[in-house]
Amino acid sequence: GAGVSQSPSNKVTEKGKDVELRCDPISGHTALYWYRQRLGQGLEFLIYFQGNSAPDKSGLPSDRFSAERTGESVSTLTIQRTQQEDSAVYLCASSITSGGTDTQYFGPGTRLTVL
Amino acid sequence: AQSVSQHNHHVILSEAASLELGCNYSYGGTVNLFWYVQYPGQHLQLLLKYFSGDPLVKGIKGFEAEFIKSKFSFNLRKPSVQWSDTAEYFCAVKTNAGKSTFGDGTTLTVKP
Repeated sequence: GAGVSQSPSNKVTEKGKDVELRCDPISGHTALYWYRQRLGQGLEFLIYFQGNSAPDKSGLPSDRFSAERTGESVSTLTIQRTQQEDSAVYLCASSITSGGTDTQYFGPGTRLTVL
Repeated sequence: AQSVSQHNHHVILSEAASLELGCNYSYGGTVNLFWYVQYPGQHLQLLLKYFSGDPLVKGIKGFEAEFIKSKFSFNLRKPSVQWSDTAEYFCAVKTNAGKSTFGDGTTLTVKP
C-alpha cells in the first residue's frame, strides 16, 4: 500500500479483556516498529522486527504484551488482560531496514481506551 | 541506555518569529538524529535527519538543525515561522541497533 495502515483506528475495551492491534507496513519494508504514546507524552518504544524476528523486545512493559509478525508483512500487537494504564495511542512504523539511518514511516495509530 | 531531552514542552510564537527547539541526547556511541513532526490530524512524518557529513542539515519547509557533537545537541531552527507550522515536534535518536528513542515532544503554536 501507499503508507502504513493500522486497525482499528479506535478501540474501547473493558478492563481485563484482551485486545489485538494490527499493523500493515509499507510493502518491501523489512523493519517494523511498535510504539506507545500516552497522553501528553513522547513515544515509548515497545518492540521492533527485522523480518519476522524481534531482536529487541526490551520495551514491552509486561508479559501481558506480545507481538508477532508473519510473512515479513503484517504485525499484530496483543495486550492480554488489559488495564486502565494501557490506555494510549499505539503507533506502528516501518522502514526499509532497521539500519540507523533509515527513516521510519508512521501509521495513524490505534487509540486504545480501557474502561 | 540512550535518552532524549526536549527542553520546551509548549512554545507559542507569532508568525514571522524565529524558532529554535532544543534537543539533547545521551549516548556515548555513534548516533543518527531525527526530527519528526506531527501536524494536527496527520501522521508523524520526517522533517530532517542527520547521520554524517555536514552537521547543518536542511529539511522540508525551511527547517534546519545543527548537530553539535560536543554538546550532544541537535536543535531545530526556522528563521520565520508560519501559522501552518503549528504542530508537535519530536526529536529522536537512533543507534545502529535499530531501536529509536524519542523525546517527549514540543507543541508549537503559531499565532496568525
